[in-house]
Amino acid sequence: GEDVEQSLFLSVREGDSSVINCTYTDSSSTYLYWYKQEPGAGLQLLTYIFSNMDMKQDQRLTVLLNKKDKHLSLRIADTQTGDSAIYFCAEDATGFQKLVFGTGTRLLVSP
Amino acid sequence: GAVVSQHPSRVICKSGTSVKIECRSLDFQATTMFWYRQFPKQSLMLMATSNEGSKATYEQGVEKDKFLINHASLTLSTLTVTSAHPEDSSFYICSARETEAFFGQGTRLTVV
Repeated sequence: GEDVEQSLFLSVREGDSSVINCTYTDSSSTYLYWYKQEPGAGLQLLTYIFSNMDMKQDQRLTVLLNKKDKHLSLRIADTQTGDSAIYFCAEDATGFQKLVFGTGTRLLVSP
Repeated sequence: GAVVSQHPSRVICKSGTSVKIECRSLDFQATTMFWYRQFPKQSLMLMATSNEGSKATYEQGVEKDKFLINHASLTLSTLTVTSAHPEDSSFYICSARETEAFFGQGTRLTVV
């Protein structure tokens, strides 16, 4: 079955790195995504990774994928107060195009 | 990147009335769009998959007569909440997929 889990909360200081973790169960997923949601807003696509990759870097964001352990992480370097939001990982339910979302991690960045 | 526009962003309606939410893909054609619902402090729950030119596919437990979906063109899908009740109050988000999935801004529905 499909099940995506994340830790609920992460608190960091401005300038530190943040690492948000995600575990998933569908080993046949093609894409794995990270989305950011600010209060009252929709989802902003941050980055995604193909399942045949193990790392992707995009400016301050680094995505690591461990397919063996079905573990995905998002590292935000030099975290800023504007990064405070809820971060969702999502997996691509193969063949259906729909996404299965994690529970979301609330990131709080303090000055 | 591709843009998905959702309208309205907020709506307040009286119990028993119907509300229509629009979802548009602005710079690409989407044969399939997705409607999600999000309760406060919770993740997104897929309600239905909207298919251009054919019937929508509803997830288990979602009433298709209550949540009417129309996907009449390659750039527009609508979700109509019929005979709305306070328990339908929620945040509704649509999504369309080019390669990656893009989301609308969401609609906050409040039924009073």
